[in-house]
Amino acid sequence: GAGVSQTPSNKVTEKGKYVELRCDPISGHTALYWYRQSLGQGPEFLIYFQGTGAADDSGLPNDRFFAVRPEGSVSTLKIQRTERGDSAVYLCASSPLRGHTDTQYFGPGTRLTVL
Amino acid sequence: GQNIDQPTEMTATEGAIVQINCTYQTSGFNGLFWYQQHAGEAPTFLSYNVLDGLEEKGRFSSFLSRSKGYSYLLLKELQMKDSASYLCAVSSGAGSYQLTFGKGTKLSVIP
Repeated sequence: GAGVSQTPSNKVTEKGKYVELRCDPISGHTALYWYRQSLGQGPEFLIYFQGTGAADDSGLPNDRFFAVRPEGSVSTLKIQRTERGDSAVYLCASSPLRGHTDTQYFGPGTRLTVL
Repeated sequence: GQNIDQPTEMTATEGAIVQINCTYQTSGFNGLFWYQQHAGEAPTFLSYNVLDGLEEKGRFSSFLSRSKGYSYLLLKELQMKDSASYLCAVSSGAGSYQLTFGKGTKLSVIP
């Protein structure tokens, strides 16, 4: 497809469980971002990948959150021991990384509900 | 710290013009973005400003004043489909292009 895709679109889990959220960026985009959006709020930055490496993970709220991008394309956001406060829409974005004028293109998000 | 303010909600009439303001206080500045987000959907890119002045793109225009930490998005000839949230975001990190978003302005267009 032409855009950023994310799977699953919805995920319901129980408190304490482990979840994985997947992002397929636009083909050829070097940069990949994860954001989290709670109801009535703007997206909040979590982590940024440049290629395979996490160039900036300062937005990850704690060590229960981890993300990988092993081949520089698809990324997986992993959340251990989920808590009810983790419920949100998790957005992925990618960009071609042409400098600070880079435009980020967002996927449709994964709505995570922790019961 | 980073702080971006925009009105929570606005209402405007179909065919009219509406201006959505955004003020920001950030530790750096690489540019300001406006995104449109319909309920339950992904944010979609509308405009980008890095220099002072007005950028026009069809029915949408965006203005930036870096000295005042101020931007606005101007929507002309409003259509019902323009009902959405409008997100102001600043790119400010050195070496990281993360965006810091405001909470968004929910625009309702009424007949």
